[in-house]
Amino acid sequence: AQSVTQLDSHVSVSEGTPVLLRCNYSSSYSPSLFWYVQHPNKGLQLLLKYTSAATLVKGINGFEAEFKKSETSFHLTKPSAHMSDAAEYFCVVSFITGFQKLVFGTGTRLLVSP
Amino acid sequence: DGGITQSPKYLFRKEGQNVTLSCEQNLNHDAMYWYRQDPGQGLRLIYYSQIVNDFQKGDIAEGYSVSREKKESFPLTVTSAQKNPTAFYLCASSGLAGVTDTQYFGPGTRLTVL
Repeated sequence: AQSVTQLDSHVSVSEGTPVLLRCNYSSSYSPSLFWYVQHPNKGLQLLLKYTSAATLVKGINGFEAEFKKSETSFHLTKPSAHMSDAAEYFCVVSFITGFQKLVFGTGTRLLVSP
Repeated sequence: DGGITQSPKYLFRKEGQNVTLSCEQNLNHDAMYWYRQDPGQGLRLIYYSQIVNDFQKGDIAEGYSVSREKKESFPLTVTSAQKNPTAFYLCASSGLAGVTDTQYFGPGTRLTVL
């Protein structure tokens, strides 16, 4: 079975400090993994995706994630937080079962203080 | 601009009413999806369609119906049989059906039952 666990429901950082949002996955197959960001009352925007190419994936707005098979993790990082990064972040595992199914984590809300 | 549009942004429903949420895409994507988002939860799949005139139930299809008469349109009807319809509804599309591909999301419709 495919599943995703986001280990923190809320993360608080100060502007200019590093960001770490943690995600563990469970997958019977070689997984495809995504991180999406959602600002309040908006749709989801793709940050980055992993599809079995390079294990370190660079995304938009300075975010990156590293796929670690041995740890079944796909943590999202950013060296320096900006106020505009405050949002909800979803880790997602994708698998094919006749169609492309996405399984979402429950989300991590990132709070950025000045 | 290419993208996905959803309307209305806010929708209010009285008990016993059916309401229809619109989703249109001009990305020439084959596959389209409807998700429901509740507070503190990840997105859950309601219906999906991989080709015109074909659609399948997702994980929580009870009380909902869809149609796919045109490639660019995938409206969702929330029927009176849906017992707890208050939620944020998101439409998505992806270019290729049945393979790993990025799903792009619309801005969402917030439905409230009065």
